[in-house]
Amino acid sequence: SQTIHQWPATLVQPVGSPLSLECTVEGTSNPNLYWYRQAAGRGLQLLFYSVGIGQISSEVPQNLSASRPQDRQFILSSKKLLLSDSGFYLCAWSVFPWGQPFRDNEQFFGPGTRLTVL
Amino acid sequence: DQQVKQNSPSLSVQEGRISILNCDYTNSMFDYFLWYKKYPAEGPTFLISISSIKDKNEDGRFTVFLNKSAKHLSLHIVPSQPGDSAVYFCAASDTGNQFYFGTGTSLTVIP
Repeated sequence: SQTIHQWPATLVQPVGSPLSLECTVEGTSNPNLYWYRQAAGRGLQLLFYSVGIGQISSEVPQNLSASRPQDRQFILSSKKLLLSDSGFYLCAWSVFPWGQPFRDNEQFFGPGTRLTVL
Repeated sequence: DQQVKQNSPSLSVQEGRISILNCDYTNSMFDYFLWYKKYPAEGPTFLISISSIKDKNEDGRFTVFLNKSAKHLSLHIVPSQPGDSAVYFCAASDTGNQFYFGTGTSLTVIP
C-alpha cells in the first residue's frame, strides 16, 4: 500500500533562518507530488507541483522553492523565512499519469508540518 | 484569484439532521470535483468525488450534487454525527495534475 511521510511534524524557526521540509512517498512510482500551505483562516493554497524528477511548477510567487531530487522525494525550502511563512504545510501525491477517466482521481495527503516563524 | 469558493466558513447542525455544505467555482473547464475532510493538525482525507458527466454521487451517508450550469456543488451528510465535525474542503480539477481548493467550511455537529 502507498504511504506518504512528512517531517518534521512541528517546527519553530526564527525570521531569516533557512527551511527544509521533506516529503517521501512509498508504494507508488512516478507520482504527481504537491506542496500546499494552509494559513490561518485560508484554504489550501497550492505552492508547487511536480510531474517528474527535476520538474517543478510554481503556483504563487514567494520566497519558497521546491526540488524533486528523486522520484518519490519532494523537498520544500527557503533561504530566509518570513513571518508570513507560518502555516500548516501539506505534501500530497496523486497518480501519474492521470488514471482512467473519472476513476482514482484523488490526492493523498501527508500528516503535515506545522511551521511557526517567530 | 480564488477559483473555488466556500462562502460559509462555519456550519452547526444538530446530530441526526442533514448537513449541507456548499461550494462554487468559476472555471467552466473543471471536470472533476472532490470533497475532503480535515481534522486539526492532520492532512485532509478524501471523502467523495464526482465527475462532470454526473449530477449526483452517493456513498453511504454522503452525497455530492453537481449543478454545472450554476457552477455549484454541494455535499449532503445524512444523518449527521458528532464524528463528522471537521473542516470540509471542496476541490476541483481540469487536467488531473492540478487541484484547486476552496477555503473550507468548519462543520460542528451538536450532540
